[in-house]
Amino acid sequence: DGGITQSPKYLFRKEGQNVTLSCEQNLNHDAMYWYRQDPGQGLRLIYYSQIVNDFQKGDIAEGYSVSREKKESFPLTVTSAQKNPTAFYLCASRTTGLGGNTIYFGEGSWLTVV
Amino acid sequence: AQTVTQSQPEMSVQEAETVTLSCTYDTSESDYYLFWYKQPPSRQMILVIRQEAYKQQNATENRFSVNFQKAAKSFSLKISDSQLGDAAMYFCAYRSYSGNTPLVFGKGTRLSVIA
Repeated sequence: DGGITQSPKYLFRKEGQNVTLSCEQNLNHDAMYWYRQDPGQGLRLIYYSQIVNDFQKGDIAEGYSVSREKKESFPLTVTSAQKNPTAFYLCASRTTGLGGNTIYFGEGSWLTVV
Repeated sequence: AQTVTQSQPEMSVQEAETVTLSCTYDTSESDYYLFWYKQPPSRQMILVIRQEAYKQQNATENRFSVNFQKAAKSFSLKISDSQLGDAAMYFCAYRSYSGNTPLVFGKGTRLSVIA
């Protein structure tokens, strides 16, 4: 099946720990995105990448880091510097070629600080 | 920077009736895309409908249609013959036509469908 796979679905983090959320796509999409969703806030952009080995900060990048070593993978690390990381995280991707007007989403990951 | 505003945090509709969700946006660009996404309780983001700004004709997908008013920067979603499965959060989103820019989302409207 083609699509975007996020893992884990649920993750618990202790105070002071770094955690990494995985995002893998087999759609051959060039661009990938990470969004954070909080109640009443809609979706806010954390980071995005247009090509391998390149990425840009979004609106709320502080306390997060990413890498894009492979086209199909765009992991997000939530560092201990992120003071309020409990949220729902969505990964998305899009082709930058012809017809790439639509962004597709994974099923999301829940992160809870305990 | 572009912004998207959804002024209705919550809406409700009777089953089989019609409901309209509002969305306005702010941009200085002339070419762009507008989207409506549905997010059911499963949290999966599902594309409902897409509109290209250069097209004057309003997009339609089965029971879903939009009223795109470019001069007014308005992009409302009309759901006809509402069904229980339409209950969800609905997000309006904007993307620039040029470059590989991300989506900018509104804060969403929670739609309830009453049987």
